[in-house]
Amino acid sequence: QKEVEQNSGPLSVPEGAIASLNCTYSDRGSQSFFWYRQYSGKSPELIMFIYSNGDKEDGRFTAQLNKASQYVSLLIRDSQPSDSATYLCAAQARGATNKLIFGTGTLLAVQP
Amino acid sequence: GAVVSQHPSWVICKSGTSVKIECRSLDFQATTMFWYRQFPKQSLMLMATSNEGSKATYEQGVEKDKFLINHASLTLSTLTVTSAHPEDSSFYICSARGQGGTDTQYFGPGTRLTVL
Repeated sequence: QKEVEQNSGPLSVPEGAIASLNCTYSDRGSQSFFWYRQYSGKSPELIMFIYSNGDKEDGRFTAQLNKASQYVSLLIRDSQPSDSATYLCAAQARGATNKLIFGTGTLLAVQP
Repeated sequence: GAVVSQHPSWVICKSGTSVKIECRSLDFQATTMFWYRQFPKQSLMLMATSNEGSKATYEQGVEKDKFLINHASLTLSTLTVTSAHPEDSSFYICSARGQGGTDTQYFGPGTRLTVL
């Protein structure tokens, strides 16, 4: 069983629409969750992180966390073609190293 | 803030040679650095975790004698791919986690290794 699961996509949305990216995790002990964006051929860049249940907003991005359902999501409002990328969800593993467990990513394609 | 650099950005080498990749945190001190490998159209695979001044912790299946990691200071970690072979060709990415309890990892731009 994968520890962090994401739909690989591609998720196609029209420009200006809301893109909804979802992620589930298996370790109930995970406390911190991260969303990274990765353009093709580039390294991941941090979009935002969330620790607490509920919503966290940063500009056009909103992260949502539901620990009871072990579910994390990222909403992108007013999607732009430049948002087209792979979005990686990561959960911080319990333990001394605090390593991140990454999902396989969801490819988002925003159509002009 | 939270800038991580890697050098070189790409390297081509002959089979059997060794390649060293540097990862530096430019504007913060990184107590922990992570090394990942990513094959085309696949997700990140954690290779090892390195803490400043101590031995790296390798993930299962990663050969520690082949992928040598040194974290000599709070701003520098190096990955040496020894006796490289074509199957080691990949995108190697480091990340750094700062002090002060923050869990966030900041990624370097990556190094693309091609072994001929």
